[in-house]
Amino acid sequence: EPEVTQTPSHQVTQMGQEVILRCVPISNHLYFYWYRQILGQKVEFLVSFYNNEISEKSEIFDDQFSVERPDGSNFTLKIRSTKLEDSAMYFCASSVTPGTGKLFFGSGTQLSVL
Amino acid sequence: EDKVVQSPLSLVVHEGDTVTLNCSYEVTNFRSLLWYKQEKKAPTFLFMLTSSGIEKKSGRLSSILDKKELSSILNITATQTGDSAIYLCARRDNNNDMRFGAGTRLTVKP
Repeated sequence: EPEVTQTPSHQVTQMGQEVILRCVPISNHLYFYWYRQILGQKVEFLVSFYNNEISEKSEIFDDQFSVERPDGSNFTLKIRSTKLEDSAMYFCASSVTPGTGKLFFGSGTQLSVL
Repeated sequence: EDKVVQSPLSLVVHEGDTVTLNCSYEVTNFRSLLWYKQEKKAPTFLFMLTSSGIEKKSGRLSSILDKKELSSILNITATQTGDSAIYLCARRDNNNDMRFGAGTRLTVKP
């Protein structure tokens, strides 16, 4: 079965550094998402992306964050000047259409900011 | 902000028991309600519910939506240890924004 792949699985960075989390959505999917889950807390929506632009973003997704689809396959989340509270599991997801609701999630990138 | 509230937050049962997990939501531009199972890492899709009163079933799992009560339940019959996971409920709105509840951590003991 096709799957969403994320790299790296773990990322450790120093506070203030920039990180880029990478995702390869399922090939025929058109809608892409980033979610995060702080340890022990709920899965939180960050941003949705369609047709090379942001469709929706949450209040969490401030100027520190940006997303990009640099080529036909990758979907990236950049966090500039990381903070301690950015430490979380970041999930990428994709769907064929927005209406199905059936998001396929990647296995996540565990980001640790020291 | 719209909220998705799940109960109980955690549940411990023995194999063979039947469990009912609850999800309630506040509605603004409601489109669908979804259930996911989260084991070690990524949530995996279980059900999507859009219409009230229509039960969706997959093996020992079933779910139903009550739009009048703004709630949904997920039932698992004859539980097995492999059912141990966090069960997430999510509300999707017409803007395709999907918000998750905090989840119910189910532990099934042998």
